[in-house]
Amino acid sequence: NAGVMQNPRHLVRRRGQEARLRCSPMKGHSHVYWYRQLPEEGLKFMVYLQKENIIDESGMPKERFSAEFPKEGPSILRIQQVVRGDSAAYFCASSLAGLAGAYEQYFGPGTRLTVT
Amino acid sequence: SQQGEEDPQALSIQEGENATMNCSYKTSINNLQWYRQNSGRGLVHLILIRSNEREKHSGRLRVTLDTSKKSSSLLITASRAADTASYFCATDTPETSGSRLTFGEGTQLTVNP
Repeated sequence: NAGVMQNPRHLVRRRGQEARLRCSPMKGHSHVYWYRQLPEEGLKFMVYLQKENIIDESGMPKERFSAEFPKEGPSILRIQQVVRGDSAAYFCASSLAGLAGAYEQYFGPGTRLTVT
Repeated sequence: SQQGEEDPQALSIQEGENATMNCSYKTSINNLQWYRQNSGRGLVHLILIRSNEREKHSGRLRVTLDTSKKSSSLLITASRAADTASYFCATDTPETSGSRLTFGEGTQLTVNP
C-alpha cells in the first residue's frame, strides 16, 4: 500500500549540471502531475502526464525542463543546465483518473533541489 | 490576487481552540480541495468538496463552500499541537478538472500547547 514515491529526497547540483527527479505513482494510478514549490509559497503546476503522453505542459518553462512517463518505470522530470533559480521543492502527485473525473491527487514527499 | 488565496496568512491559537481558514478564488470551479503540509514535508490530502456541495465533514474538519462568493472555509475543531502545519486550498476548473490544481499561498497554523 505504498504511496507516491519520489527519489531522491534531496539533490544538490552545481550550476550547469543536470538534475533528474523520479516519481513512482500510487499503485493503480496512471496519471502523474509535477508541481514546484518555492520557499514560503504555494505549489505551482508544471506538467500532467499519462503513460507515454504529455497531456498538459502549460506550466513547464520553455527551455531546459522536460518530463516523461514511459510505459515502464517511473515518471522523470529532467532539468538541464540547472541555475540557482531552479532551487525548489518538486512534488509529484498521482490520481486514479484525469480529465474524465474529479479524483483527489495524492502527493509524494518531494525532492528538494539545491543548486550551488 | 490569484486563484485560491488563503486568509489569514498566519494563525496562532491555543490547543483546544477552533481554527478557521478561508480561501477565495476568482474563476468558476469544479472542485476545491484542502491539503496540509508539515514543515519540509509533502502534502497530505484532507478533503475534497465539489462545486454542487455546500458542506463536508471529516473528523474534526469541516469545509464549507459558497460558490456565489467564490470562497471556502476550513474549520478545525478542538485543535491539537499536531495540527501545526501549512494549509492550502487547491481548485480545478471545468476546463482543467482532473488536470492541474491551482494552489493558494497557504495559511500557516500554529497551535500552542
